[in-house]
Amino acid sequence: GNSVTQMEGPVTLSEEAFLTINCTYTATGYPSLFWYVQYPGEGLQLLLKATKADDKGSNKGFEATYRKETTSFHLEKGSVQVSDSAVYFCALKRYSTLTFGKGTMLLVSP
Amino acid sequence: NAGVTQTPKFRVLKTGQSMTLLCAQDMNHEYMYWYRQDPGMGLRLIHYSVGEGTTAKGEVPDGYNVSRLKKQNFLLGLESAAPSQTSVYFCASSYGGDSGTYEQYFGPGTRLTVT
Repeated sequence: GNSVTQMEGPVTLSEEAFLTINCTYTATGYPSLFWYVQYPGEGLQLLLKATKADDKGSNKGFEATYRKETTSFHLEKGSVQVSDSAVYFCALKRYSTLTFGKGTMLLVSP
Repeated sequence: NAGVTQTPKFRVLKTGQSMTLLCAQDMNHEYMYWYRQDPGMGLRLIHYSVGEGTTAKGEVPDGYNVSRLKKQNFLLGLESAAPSQTSVYFCASSYGGDSGTYEQYFGPGTRLTVT
């Protein structure tokens, strides 16, 4: 079946540090890949997506590249801010449904 | 547009009680979903619907029922609540299902505690 594995948190960084959150997946066929973000007390919001191999999704300074050869979709940001503190979910989509990873909490201190 | 709304925001139930969670969307989306979120488990799909009058089971459907009588509404029912159903419940909707370009839009969640 489909599955998503992402690094456990929390990830604790200082403001302006470089961020990487690893995500790998197992799926049949060619899934679409997503990163969602959940701020405290809120629902999930789409952060970025990629629908085919070698696509790069980007938004708000975050980037992730769909790597079919390594079945990965790692999230990166060059300089994090305190306002980026949230839980980040990697997800894959095959047909009608999303399969989520367990989430990675990011804590950014001033 | 309000997007995806959920009612209620919080609820406490006693074991064995029943309740219905309401999800409404005003984006004319065909697909709607119910998830539960538990610490360390991510989001798990309970049931979903690919159109008015249709429902399908997700990963963790036991103990829940759903109905989609109107396109804009998706109801999640607990007939006899159990402590294991203590969770945060999220509803989501999307235009379509099969295309990877259709993102899911999420509601703010319902925090349910079963004592």
